[in-house]
Amino acid sequence: QQPVQSPQAVILREGEDAVINCSSSKALYSVHWYRQKHGEAPVFLMILLKGGEQKGHDKISASFNEKKQQSSLYLTASQLSYSGTYFCGTEIKGQGGKLIFGQGTELSVKP
Amino acid sequence: SAVISQKPSRDICQRGTSLTIQCQVDSQVTMMFWYRQQPGQSLTLIATANQGSEATYESGFVIDKFPISRPNLTFSTLTVSNMSPEDSSIYLCSAMTGAGEQFFGPGTRLTVL
Repeated sequence: QQPVQSPQAVILREGEDAVINCSSSKALYSVHWYRQKHGEAPVFLMILLKGGEQKGHDKISASFNEKKQQSSLYLTASQLSYSGTYFCGTEIKGQGGKLIFGQGTELSVKP
Repeated sequence: SAVISQKPSRDICQRGTSLTIQCQVDSQVTMMFWYRQQPGQSLTLIATANQGSEATYESGFVIDKFPISRPNLTFSTLTVSNMSPEDSSIYLCSAMTGAGEQFFGPGTRLTVL
């Protein structure tokens, strides 16, 4: 039931792009994306509710393919501050807001 | 958005004792949840804190071990009872707004000796 994230880890140079994928075997109502830095709480990035929906937040955007139960997070022109572990949280239809989190993707941005 | 505070931020406890963690939200929210996170691991949902009624627990978590209260729309507590070293973890509460967004508190780092 836990969604699968890929890749598990990625190392970037400043200015490079990255894509993090999240795939579920269950029918999804929504997908939530978070970034967590070491020793801190997860920080909410965005929520995607509708099939095919795309959202953007500065240079971070995401898409949600409801039919394929997949979501992707796009980080463009990465900055040092993007470093951290990214988690997708999936809400299964009819589960009333409960999130099941993927195992996380560790992103390191180097100067 | 919602701003969430938790108390205590960390604690070191003896085996067999209990600890109550408080979670306060700065605005009324629809849902509140409790999660556990081992260092370097993902987040695991413990339970949904229901306002005015018993919490809904996930598989592997029981009320006797993790009693939860939610007396109003902005406050919840989680008690970790009869603690053992295996309960050492970070405990986080989250709150869901009317827009469906979930925000996390800063977490409580628990060490059981």
